Amino acid sequence: DAGVTQSPTHLIKTRGQQVTLRCSPKSGHDTVSWYQQALGQGPQFIFQYYEEEERQRGNFPDRFSGHQFPNYSSELNVNALLLGDSALYLCASSDRLTYEQYFGPGTRLTVT
Amino acid sequence: AQTVTQSQPEMSVQEAETVTLSCTYDTSESDYYLFWYKQPPSRQMILVIRQEAYKQQNATENRFSVNFQKAAKSFSLKISDSQLGDAAMYFCAYRSSGFRDDKIIFGKGTRLHILP
Repeated sequence: DAGVTQSPTHLIKTRGQQVTLRCSPKSGHDTVSWYQQALGQGPQFIFQYYEEEERQRGNFPDRFSGHQFPNYSSELNVNALLLGDSALYLCASSDRLTYEQYFGPGTRLTVT
Repeated sequence: AQTVTQSQPEMSVQEAETVTLSCTYDTSESDYYLFWYKQPPSRQMILVIRQEAYKQQNATENRFSVNFQKAAKSFSLKISDSQLGDAAMYFCAYRSSGFRDDKIIFGKGTRLHILP
């Protein structure tokens, strides 16, 4: 049983560009949450998707958007990248039974 | 809004010894969950231990145990018989028990070094 997977592992983008990060939830999970972890900090909640809808959102600008597909996988999109968007982006999946969140290995984004 | 505070940015412990990591939190809710997560250099966030606020008994998982003081809003992690593999960042975290609010709020973390 595969756990939460994320792609790519790392990538480098230039200021102003757009990026898409992908997440496949653990088998049996229908909810995906995204977190941003800046260097030396704890993860911060970006948003959560359930039934293909954004169910909850943290304090992040509209440049951060997402999508959930019918197979429960999810994408995180960031437009007009800033240097401050450089971080580890973590995806976590959960189900409606236990609400326990399982984390993926993350995508390291570097904006130059 | 809920907050989680870890006041120890770094700690060191001798292998086989015991170490306690501190955490305090603030919330107006009466029912919630508290967690300790471990993040090794591989970056994978691993759940170490979980505590339900309505349970008075402190959670224990093998060498890991917590001291949950609800009135003081304190939630410390004790690691017994420390091993080299315990070296990692440790995050204290909070989650509401509400169905519509299950985001996790993390502290800034404590980096734990294990000295051989």
